[in-house]
Amino acid sequence: GAGVSQSPRYKVAKRGQDVALRCDPISGHVSLFWYQQALGQGPEFLTYFQNEAQLDKSGLPSDRFFAERPEGSVSTLKIQRTQQEDSAVYLCASSLGARTTIAKNIQYFGAGTRLSVL
Amino acid sequence: AQKITQTQPGMFVQEKEAVTLDCTYDTSDPSYGLFWYKQPSSGEMIFLIYQGSYDQQNATEGRYSLNFQKARKSANLVISASQLGDSAMYFCAMRDASWWGNEKLTFGTGTRLTIIP
Repeated sequence: GAGVSQSPRYKVAKRGQDVALRCDPISGHVSLFWYQQALGQGPEFLTYFQNEAQLDKSGLPSDRFFAERPEGSVSTLKIQRTQQEDSAVYLCASSLGARTTIAKNIQYFGAGTRLSVL
Repeated sequence: AQKITQTQPGMFVQEKEAVTLDCTYDTSDPSYGLFWYKQPSSGEMIFLIYQGSYDQQNATEGRYSLNFQKARKSANLVISASQLGDSAMYFCAMRDASWWGNEKLTFGTGTRLTIIP
């Protein structure tokens, strides 16, 4: 498709399980972002890639969270030993990155993965 | 650090009326960008409009316009002739635009807009 694709749309995990969330960015987009959105809140930044390089992971809440983008396209966000506080919607976004001006570098979002940890 | 404040948790507006959603921001960056996104119940964040800090004119995109008042640090979204399909959460966001290594967006808490038939 033409937009950002995320899978699965919904994930239920038992506390302590590991989960992997996938993001397929828009073709040709250099930059990829992960955000976490708690219920009733705005999205909060987790991490950011330019191609395969992870340039900023300052928003990852703990070392249980790990993201990768090995070939500069698809990205996976992995959460180990899930906790109830990890329950949220995880949004992925992509942008053209350095292929355009900073001013016009719009981030386009996927529909998100809703994670529920029981 | 950047901060976005949206003081209206919810708004109800009659169909076909205009509506203004408030957004104030705080930043020490000399160059920045301001964004509005719409999030319907399906969950996807839909980009609506962008305003650069050095843009001389207010941004417009169809029925959407951004009332940018730099001195007051406000970037209100105006939707003209509202439609039932405009019912959604609306988020104001900003980013530093002075260098490429800092592309992350900072979001406000959002405003839930409900259009009444």
